[in-house]
Amino acid sequence: GESVGLHLPTLSVQEGDNSIINCAYSNSASDYFIWYKQESGKGPQFIIDIRSNMDKRQGQRVTVLLNKTVKHLSLQIAATQPGDSAVYFCAEIHGNQFYFGTGTSLTVIP
Amino acid sequence: DAGVIQSPRHEVTEMGQEVTLRCKPISGHDYLFWYRQTMMRGLELLIYFNNNVPIDDSGMPEDRFSAKMPNASFSTLKIQPSEPRDSAVYFCASSLDRGVGYTFGSGTRLTVV
Repeated sequence: GESVGLHLPTLSVQEGDNSIINCAYSNSASDYFIWYKQESGKGPQFIIDIRSNMDKRQGQRVTVLLNKTVKHLSLQIAATQPGDSAVYFCAEIHGNQFYFGTGTSLTVIP
Repeated sequence: DAGVIQSPRHEVTEMGQEVTLRCKPISGHDYLFWYRQTMMRGLELLIYFNNNVPIDDSGMPEDRFSAKMPNASFSTLKIQPSEPRDSAVYFCASSLDRGVGYTFGSGTRLTVV
């Protein structure tokens, strides 16, 4: 029979463009958030984190924005490169409870 | 730091056999997590330990699965007997308190035939 799996949101961007990946979280009490990148055949890798007392945090080519009012998190990747192609997960942490989103698949078109 | 180390990277076994997956967390991390990842369900938390003590095993699918952490530097996830539906990638992760330094291993790809 036909297999049914998770239908990940997908995003395709042209190389050099900026990418924005969104995540809605569920627990207003979550106080720590992490973005992970998972390439095919590898484990999730830490990209950037943000605490709930911040609205924005910047890293190298990446920026995370946190909107607590609407419980929304976004990851912005500047000047997207082919090596950025991967599945991106957000994680929300409340105490020692971790919740991962299903992920967004990013494809960079050369 | 070598990160979280898992072994083996790949495991192929026959249905009914016992499978043992191993994990070495990052030194100093006192939380250890076992996850299973499949196309059907994504990333699922199976169990986590704090200071070598199992805290929440509600994600363990059934009695065929068991996990131990005999010391701060080693944990095992055992499946006995294994079934084809257990085929997945199993990840171990470790962290400090409240998710600080949360790091995944490279995973073990398990295939049960």
